[in-house]
Amino acid sequence: RKEVEQDPGPFNVPEGATVAFNCTYSNSASQSFFWYRQDCRKEPKLLMSVYSSGNEDGRFTAQLNRASQYISLLIRDSKLSDSATYLCVVNMNTGFQKLVFGTGTRLLVSP
Amino acid sequence: DVKVTQSSRYLVKRTGEKVFLECVQDMDHENMFWYRQDPGLGLRLIYFSYDVKMKEKGDIPEGYSVSREKKERFSLILESASTNQTSMYLCASSLPPVLAGGPNKYNEQFFGPGTRLTVL
Repeated sequence: RKEVEQDPGPFNVPEGATVAFNCTYSNSASQSFFWYRQDCRKEPKLLMSVYSSGNEDGRFTAQLNRASQYISLLIRDSKLSDSATYLCVVNMNTGFQKLVFGTGTRLLVSP
Repeated sequence: DVKVTQSSRYLVKRTGEKVFLECVQDMDHENMFWYRQDPGLGLRLIYFSYDVKMKEKGDIPEGYSVSREKKERFSLILESASTNQTSMYLCASSLPPVLAGGPNKYNEQFFGPGTRLTVL
């Protein structure tokens, strides 16, 4: 089983739609979780951190379910500019800041 | 703004060549990382460093070495490039967890723009 798993997509949604991505992780001791955004041919950039049960930032909501070992990212009122790949990232709690990256979920928002 | 720069955006080398990829960050970060990113495999950690002259192997260190002589600079070295090292290489930096406000509050990793290396 992969340490961090995501549906690669692509998710094709119209502008204004609500879309959600899930990510599962294998290490139950993991404590810190992140969503990074990566635009085509660009570097990843932090979108949100998830430290407890969840986090909300404007149209974006990240939730953590420790019992089932998954985190989700919900995007409301999708914009064209939200088109990107969203990387689920988990800190494996190994005593150092080692992050494990999922392969990403691609989102395409169309007019 | 944190800035992480990498010496080249695109690089083409031949099999057997020695290749140097340079990364410089301007925010006085202790931690620096080298990843490679391949389709379907995501980002994989090659090496990291948490201080000058310190280095630790990541998940895929074979065929690579690193150098950190100065805090702001972290170099990735391919001793003898091979075709399976064709990839996107990303450098990142961050503050250590102790400065982030708690053991579980790991700081954001800031990435450079990447170097797309092709080995022929």
